[in-house]
Amino acid sequence: EVQLVESGGGLVQPGGSLKLSCATSGFTFSGSTLHWVRQAPGKGLEWVGRIRTKSQSFATAYAATVKGRFVMSRDDSENTAYLQMNSLKTEDTAVYYCSKEGEAHERWGQGTLVTVSS
Amino acid sequence: QSALTQPRSVSASPGQSVTISCTGSSSDVGGYIFVSWYQQYPGKAPKLIIYEVSKRPSGVPDRFSGSKSGNTASLTISGLQADDEADYYCCSYAGSDIDVFGTGTKVTVL
Repeated sequence: EVQLVESGGGLVQPGGSLKLSCATSGFTFSGSTLHWVRQAPGKGLEWVGRIRTKSQSFATAYAATVKGRFVMSRDDSENTAYLQMNSLKTEDTAVYYCSKEGEAHERWGQGTLVTVSS
Repeated sequence: QSALTQPRSVSASPGQSVTISCTGSSSDVGGYIFVSWYQQYPGKAPKLIIYEVSKRPSGVPDRFSGSKSGNTASLTISGLQADDEADYYCCSYAGSDIDVFGTGTKVTVL
């Protein structure tokens, strides 16, 4: 069974940093592109970024709202993807989901809540 | 990277049909076949229901169908049921390895 489990969320002050993890199982992680998608409280889904596979040079792409502040990485030996979030702003407050790309965003984790507040 | 435009809400009675539009531009919806749709219940993760404009993943009822014309994609739910009441989001590839989601539509079953 395909599973994605996000962790690492919590309360952080504006300007701070946080690193999220997305632990996976049930599929060939090394051959899969992963995404991060977020959802602010009461708002819609917002695509955050994509990280491709080793064969695609671990290429990354980011939404303009997070480019230069967020960095995606992956550890294929641990079947885990990461989202390093720096220079956090109050508007980054959201539930962060990771998703597996296949037939579009075909599987999602349950999300982890990040709250940026003083 | 502006969000794709969806109606805020649509509603219909059980058994009827609803259609949700998703309007973008030639740089996203109009330029690629990679348009997908997601169903989301409150407090839950989204679930893929349509990919590549009109394809249904295994297990998704054929009451859900997708189409595209120009810069606008559409999701139609036929034979509306109570458990179709949820939020629905479209998503499109927008080039340069970037995706963009729609603003979301709340479906209410009257």
